[in-house]
Amino acid sequence: QSVLTQPPSVSGAPGQRVTISCTGSSSNIGAGLDVHWYQQLPRTAPKLLIHGTTNRPSGVPDRFSGSKSGTSASLAISGLQAEDEANYYCHSYDSSLSGWVFGGGTKLTVL
Amino acid sequence: QVHLVQSGAEMKKPGASVKVSCKTSGYTFTNYYMHWVRQAPGQGLEWMGIINPSGGSTNYAQKLRDRVTMTRDTSTSTVYMELNSLKSEDTAVYYCARSYDYLDVWGQGTPVTVSS
Repeated sequence: QSVLTQPPSVSGAPGQRVTISCTGSSSNIGAGLDVHWYQQLPRTAPKLLIHGTTNRPSGVPDRFSGSKSGTSASLAISGLQAEDEANYYCHSYDSSLSGWVFGGGTKLTVL
Repeated sequence: QVHLVQSGAEMKKPGASVKVSCKTSGYTFTNYYMHWVRQAPGQGLEWMGIINPSGGSTNYAQKLRDRVTMTRDTSTSTVYMELNSLKSEDTAVYYCARSYDYLDVWGQGTPVTVSS
């Protein structure tokens, strides 16, 4: 059971917009701590997608965006492309655990 | 460019220990923390711990605290993760990842298989 809860899977057709939620608690996201998102393609290391809740590293398309409200964060992907099919993970610090935690991951399928 | 190059795949028996290395280049080693993250087959990412290469201080995940040790060698800009008393459940790919709060650069991963 992950401290950060993500839906196991989401799907969308090419060109559509999907969102992936990451629900935490008052000891992580709700405490104002930053949320980061990673994309993991099959058989590769994770890649940083969003940092500091809303910031895109250089080279990440602006189709990817992050937001936060209360104890939850979201990753939105607009203009879905086949290459976006991957697993996505949220990541934050938890003050109760005094350590970092990941969400359980969400598999995105592009129909 | 920043590179994190990990040691090769390992096969171990239950009860043994494994030590994985992560050699860094392309940046000032002591300016960034290093995390270790593992991923069991078909599963999600699990945070294992963090080391400060500057002073060597560490913080480990509660679940692994009694079995994991993270160290660093500043002369070779390398960090190490050693896991003791291996169990079959420790079979996973182990990643090192540079931290600037977020994990911006990852190693290629080291598969560790624990089997009798």
